[in-house]
Amino acid sequence: EIMMTQTPLSSRVTVGQTASISCRSSQSLVHSNGNTYLSWFQQRPGQPPRLLIYEVSNRFSGVPDRFSGSGAGTDFTLKINGVEADDVGVYYCMQGTQFPRTFGQGTKVEI
Amino acid sequence: DVRLVQSGGGLVQAGGSVTLTCEGSGFRFNENYIDWVRQAPGKGLEWVGQSRSKPHDYSTEAAASVRDRFIISRGDLGNSVLLQMKSLKIEDTAVYYCVRNYFEGASYVGTFDIWGQGTVVTVSS
Repeated sequence: EIMMTQTPLSSRVTVGQTASISCRSSQSLVHSNGNTYLSWFQQRPGQPPRLLIYEVSNRFSGVPDRFSGSGAGTDFTLKINGVEADDVGVYYCMQGTQFPRTFGQGTKVEI
Repeated sequence: DVRLVQSGGGLVQAGGSVTLTCEGSGFRFNENYIDWVRQAPGKGLEWVGQSRSKPHDYSTEAAASVRDRFIISRGDLGNSVLLQMKSLKIEDTAVYYCVRNYFEGASYVGTFDIWGQGTVVTVSS
């Protein structure tokens, strides 16, 4: 099973600043087909998670461009440039390369 | 409007059974992979299992923690996915989400784009 480790587990930021969340996997997320299936989700209080980023750096439809993903292999980062009050929530990384699918512990972003 | 709608769940005693149902609208449900993800109270997300699409014979995968107790299947018409949970334990208490696997055209991109509203399952002692 691939373990996903997020840091920090909590982050308090000021509106307009940049928030950065790291996600590290216990083994490479490069699939045998050459793709890397690392995605990021945002979960606002009381709501289901929402897909933000897939395949490391692709923004999902409707996601503001202040959200960006980067990384390769086992180390990945989600950045929120110009944090807005609406960005409060818990952020999860997830690997879709192997079964079982596994998630990071979540990073709580507060303003 | 593409969405997943869940039903079922509730309060059940330890050792009991419950079945959750997930139905889709706005897309060809039987041509999509549908997974289940759960979230224990105040905790993170945990993958439960997957039901592949009709072209893949609705084959399934399941997490080791539930493999011998939970069954994922499709409804008779292929327009729903069922999560049959048996021998329930206290630690199965969670919000259960059904989720659609995201494909770009025919290419799987290893994630979930649509989430159901969630169904609460509470297992009591």
